[in-house]
Amino acid sequence: KQEVTQIPAALSVPEGENLVLNCSFTDSAIYNLQWFRQDPGKGLTSLLLIQSSQREQTSGRLNASLDKSSGRSTLYIAASQPGDSATYLCAVTEDSSYKLIFGSGTRLLVRP
Amino acid sequence: DAGVIQSPRHEVTEMGQEVTLRCKPISGHDYLFWYRQTMMRGLELLIYFNNNVPIDDSGMPEDRFSAKMPNASFSTLKIQPSEPRDSAVYFCASSDRVNQPQHFGDGTRLSIL
Repeated sequence: KQEVTQIPAALSVPEGENLVLNCSFTDSAIYNLQWFRQDPGKGLTSLLLIQSSQREQTSGRLNASLDKSSGRSTLYIAASQPGDSATYLCAVTEDSSYKLIFGSGTRLLVRP
Repeated sequence: DAGVIQSPRHEVTEMGQEVTLRCKPISGHDYLFWYRQTMMRGLELLIYFNNNVPIDDSGMPEDRFSAKMPNASFSTLKIQPSEPRDSAVYFCASSDRVNQPQHFGDGTRLSIL
């Protein structure tokens, strides 16, 4: 059974710092991996999607990498801002069923 | 586009009552997903549809839960009878292909007293 783990569960950093969020999954037979952002009381916003054949994706200050063989992904946020404060969730789509399996998320606080 | 629209945003009802949650996906999206989010279990997929047909309902917790998609622009998730442990935030999401990002609605916060 696929399990997705995110470390750390919470992170507090000063504004301007570069940071890395980690995601690991137990079964490498994934179709793709997505990083989402969730603001309080809101739904999820897709940030980056990496296909299983890709190694990384970039969008603005965000860079996500995927190492399928080791079951790991990282989300790198450059020059963090208070507006980046949110919960970040990692999710994998299973190869066989196309179901999205979520990690429990990392709560990020960027202090001004 | 208005995005995925869910209603109601909040629902408070008493145990044993029927609850119906509604979702309008983004026009043109062939896939529709229902999720439940709780503190204990995080985000879980309940069921998903492709072209209005249920593909995988293995995440539906019990027979008290049912979902329908009568047409491409509307889906419902029904709980009958509701129980306090059903209290959660229920999200609907849609995508145009299985390997494309899912777009989420703002969710329905359900409280069963």
